[in-house]
Amino acid sequence: KQEVTQIPAALSVPEGENLVLNCSFTDSAIYNLQWFRQDPGKGLTSLLLIQSSQREQTSGRLNASLDKSSGRSTLYIAASQPGDSATYLCAVSGNTPLVFGKGTRLSVIA
Amino acid sequence: EAGVAQSPRYKIIEKRQSVAFWCNPISGHATLYWYQQILGQGPKLLIQFQNNGVVDDSQLPKDRFSAERLKGVDSTLKIQPAKLEDSAVYLCASSPRQGTYNEQFFGPGTRLTVL
Repeated sequence: KQEVTQIPAALSVPEGENLVLNCSFTDSAIYNLQWFRQDPGKGLTSLLLIQSSQREQTSGRLNASLDKSSGRSTLYIAASQPGDSATYLCAVSGNTPLVFGKGTRLSVIA
Repeated sequence: EAGVAQSPRYKIIEKRQSVAFWCNPISGHATLYWYQQILGQGPKLLIQFQNNGVVDDSQLPKDRFSAERLKGVDSTLKIQPAKLEDSAVYLCASSPRQGTYNEQFFGPGTRLTVL
């Protein structure tokens, strides 16, 4: 059974800092991995989708990497801003439907 | 392009009452998903439709939950009767077609509180 773990559960950083969010999964037989952002009371916004054959994806200040063999992914956020404050979720797709982690709650302090 | 629409946004009911949620996916998206997100947890898939057929409902509590997608477009999710532990956000998502390579697009969710 696929399990997804996100560390840390919560993170508070000053504005301008670069930061890394971690995601690990137990079954390396995945098709893709997605990072989502969720604002309080809102739905999920897809940030980056990495296919299993890819090593990383970039969008603006965001960079996500995937090491399928070790069951790990990282989301790197450069020059963090208060507007980046949200919960970040990773999810993996494999032989089962999307399995989500519990998320990392990020606060960027101005 | 309009996103996934859901209604209502919020619903408060008492236990043992019934409730229904509605979802309109992105136009042309064949695959529709309903997720349950309990506070502090990641979303959990309840049911997946491909057009108007059910692909996966293995995690749907069928004794009280039901869902349909008539005509392969809009979908409704119903809970009857509701329990306290059903308090959660119910998210609808859609993707262009079935297949694990396809990105899912989520609606804003319906927050259900059962008293």
